[in-house]
Order: sequence, then C-alpha cells, then structure tokens
Amino acid sequence: QSVLTQPPSVSEAPRQRVTISCSGSSSNIGNNAVNWYQQLPGQAPKLLIHYDDLLPSGVSDRFSGSKSGTSASLAISGLQSEDEADYYCATWDDSLNGWVFGGGTKLTVL
Amino acid sequence: QVQLVPSGAEVKKPGASVKVSCKASGYTFTNYGISWVRQAPGQGLEWMGWISAYSGTTNYAQKLQGRVTMTTDTSTSTAYMEVRSLRSDDTAVYYCARAPLKNWNYPFDIWGQGTMVTVSS
Repeated sequence: QSVLTQPPSVSEAPRQRVTISCSGSSSNIGNNAVNWYQQLPGQAPKLLIHYDDLLPSGVSDRFSGSKSGTSASLAISGLQSEDEADYYCATWDDSLNGWVFGGGTKLTVL
Repeated sequence: QVQLVPSGAEVKKPGASVKVSCKASGYTFTNYGISWVRQAPGQGLEWMGWISAYSGTTNYAQKLQGRVTMTTDTSTSTAYMEVRSLRSDDTAVYYCARAPLKNWNYPFDIWGQGTMVTVSS
C-alpha cells in the first residue's frame, strides 16, 4: 500500500488529453514539492515534472503538472503512442522522514 | 555527460548478501546525494534510502533498517548499496539516482539503468 495514491491505469485515444491524479496528505504533498517520473517499458525512470509544475530541459510541453492542497495531477495533451509508459508521483514525507512514491499509473494510448 | 553507471546483474541465495555499485561521472560527486530505489518484477518504485556523497550521512527507509548499508567512495565517485539476509522478495531491479544534499524538494534528476538482483535457491 503506497503512501501516495494513483489510479492503477488510464487510457485515452491519440491526440486527446489525459490526467493522472496523485493523492497524499499534509505530511507529504501538502507540505512538499511533487515530482513526476516517466518509466518507459524496460527502461529506468526519467524525471518528467519537478517542483509541482516545472518541466526539465528537453521534456515536451505536452506534459504539465499541478498541485492543490494534498493532491497533484499530471496532464498529457496531444497523446502519442510513445507516451505509453508507467507514471509515478513522488515527494518527501515529513512524518516518515523519507521520500515516498505513488503506486504508479499505466497509461495506454488506444 | 552526467551519468550513473550501475554494476552488473547478481544472483544470490536466500540468506546471502549482495553489494551493488553505481559510478557517477559528469558532475561533482560530493555536491549531491545518492538515493537507492528498487522495483520488484511488475511492481512500483520503492525508495530504499539516501546517502550524502559529501559527508557519508545516511537515511534508510524504516522497512530496511538493519539490513541495508549505503556507502560512497569519493576517490572513484562510486556509491555502494549492500543488502544482507536476502529473501525472495528482495528480487528486484535496484536503481541509483542523483539526489539532493539538503533540499528534499529537489528531484531525483539522473537515474542509473539499474542492477537486477535475483534471490533464488
């Protein structure tokens, strides 16, 4: 059972928009920055969004992040087949004194 | 370029220990920490712990306290992670990732390709 809650899977058609939610608490998302990672099949995770809504250099602006209270969201617009991957939210947890990950969401582009 | 290069795959018997390494290059090793994250087959990411490459200070996930030791060798810019008393549920890919020294909001911005550790009798 992960500290951060994500839907196990989402699916949407190409060129559409999808959002992935990440729910936490005041000791983690409510008080710390959320980072999102993309894990393509068979590959290591890659940083996708940092500090809630910032895109690292080289990441497509089709990806965006947001946060409100104790929840965060990742949005992907203009879906492409290469976006099929697992997506993880992560943040620091003040109570656990460590980093925590969501359980991951598998994105399928129909 | 900035990269973390992991050691090779390992196969161990239950009860044994394993030590994996992660060699950093392309940046000043002691300006960052290293976190270790593992992923069991078909499962999600699990944070295992963190070590400061500057001071050697560690912070282990409670679940692994007493069974894991993280160290660094600043002369070779290499981080090491040892897990003792291996069990079958330790079978996983073990990733190293560049982590902050102090600002816990900073992300894991560089990841190694991972080391597969298989625990089987």
